[in-house]
Amino acid sequence: AQTVTQSQPEMSVQEAETVTLSCTYDTSESDYYLFWYKQPPSRQMILVIRQEAYKQQNATENRFSVNFQKAAKSFSLKISDSQLGDAAMYFCAYYRHQTGANNLFFGTGTRLTVIP
Amino acid sequence: GAGVSQSPSNKVTEKGKDVELRCDPISGHTALYWYRQSLGQGLEFLIYFQGNSAPDKSGLPSDRFSAERTGGSVSTLTIQRTQQEDSAVYLCASSLGLLNNEQFFGPGTRLTVL
Repeated sequence: AQTVTQSQPEMSVQEAETVTLSCTYDTSESDYYLFWYKQPPSRQMILVIRQEAYKQQNATENRFSVNFQKAAKSFSLKISDSQLGDAAMYFCAYYRHQTGANNLFFGTGTRLTVIP
Repeated sequence: GAGVSQSPSNKVTEKGKDVELRCDPISGHTALYWYRQSLGQGLEFLIYFQGNSAPDKSGLPSDRFSAERTGGSVSTLTIQRTQQEDSAVYLCASSLGLLNNEQFFGPGTRLTVL
């Protein structure tokens, strides 16, 4: 079974600074997708960024970027110019479409605090 | 609607009672997923639907849990004879199809079993 590990239960960052959240995963597959989701106190899970494993280029969405190391099975999220609204739980997730199994596998999350 | 909706937002029940949680996916999304989020933990997959069919029910924690989807739209997750360990946030998500991996989540139902 696929496993996703987030080793940082909590992180903090000063407003306007940069922070990196770590994620590692275990899979024997070569074709899959990785995601970072943000969950603010409202509980709404919001997709932050997505990476296709077959793409070598790291995904970027405005202030959010990833460092995807396929061989190391590592998928970290970098948040630049942190804002107060970035404070939330961040979940790393893995997905691979296959018959009979089409769910996301989630890590346990990292709680990010942004200090004014 | 514009997004995935779930009802109720919060549910408090007594141990042993049955509860029904509802999910209304984004219009046109054929795939629907249920997850459970316990305090301090990540999301645990429960079940998914492609149309009205649920090919994989192995994620359901026990036979007290069941889910159905009718008309390829609304889904209900039913928990019979609730136990305190069932207390969690139950999240629903939908996607255009199984091959489209972007899942859109609802706000969840917080279930508290006393």
